Amino acid sequence: DVKVTQSSRYLVKRTGEKVFLECVQDMDHENMFWYRQDPGLGLRLIYFSYDVKMKEKGDIPEGYSVSREKKERFSLILESASTNQTSMYLCASSAPGQRFYGYTFGSGTRLTVV
Amino acid sequence: AQKVTQAQTEISVVEKEDVTLDCVYETRDTTYYLFWYKQPPSGELVFLIRRNSFDEQNEISGRYSWNFQKSTSSFNFTITASQVVDSAVYFCALSPSWGNSGGSNYKLTFGKGTLLTVNP
Repeated sequence: DVKVTQSSRYLVKRTGEKVFLECVQDMDHENMFWYRQDPGLGLRLIYFSYDVKMKEKGDIPEGYSVSREKKERFSLILESASTNQTSMYLCASSAPGQRFYGYTFGSGTRLTVV
Repeated sequence: AQKVTQAQTEISVVEKEDVTLDCVYETRDTTYYLFWYKQPPSGELVFLIRRNSFDEQNEISGRYSWNFQKSTSSFNFTITASQVVDSAVYFCALSPSWGNSGGSNYKLTFGKGTLLTVNP
């Protein structure tokens, strides 16, 4: 069964901490995405990546960075966590071009910053 | 720019009722894909359907059916004889199809979702 795996379901961090959210996919997908989901705001794209070492900003990149050193792994980094980054974070992957059939999502990481 | 509107924020029904979730989209692309995803309380978004813009046939899968109307830019989702297990947030999404829009053809634009609660 193909999967996108996020390393933690629940995470509690302190304000100012550096936070790493990890995402791994086993489908050999070129494209990977990070979204955050908040009540009333839906899904908002933070960053995405088309290939290894490649990244592009989404709609709300401020306060975040990403790393993609290997094709299967896409990390979201909160350089200095703040309470307004308390949210559900969703990772997704997809194949490109003619193989595109939508996204496969991970189970999400619910991050609380205190 | 692409936009997806799900006007219904929350819907509550009693088990066995039929329910329709509305989705209206905007795009300048001549070809595009439309999607529906289900997000149960566990959190993971689950793919339900992809529809190509040049295929306007309605689709039925068990208790689920989708009505795509290009003329009104709508892609509505109906659950027949709803069950408690259908309780979830449902997202409609849109992307350019392959070959459109260069590098952006991999990005989905999501609606804000509709929370469906099916009561026993």
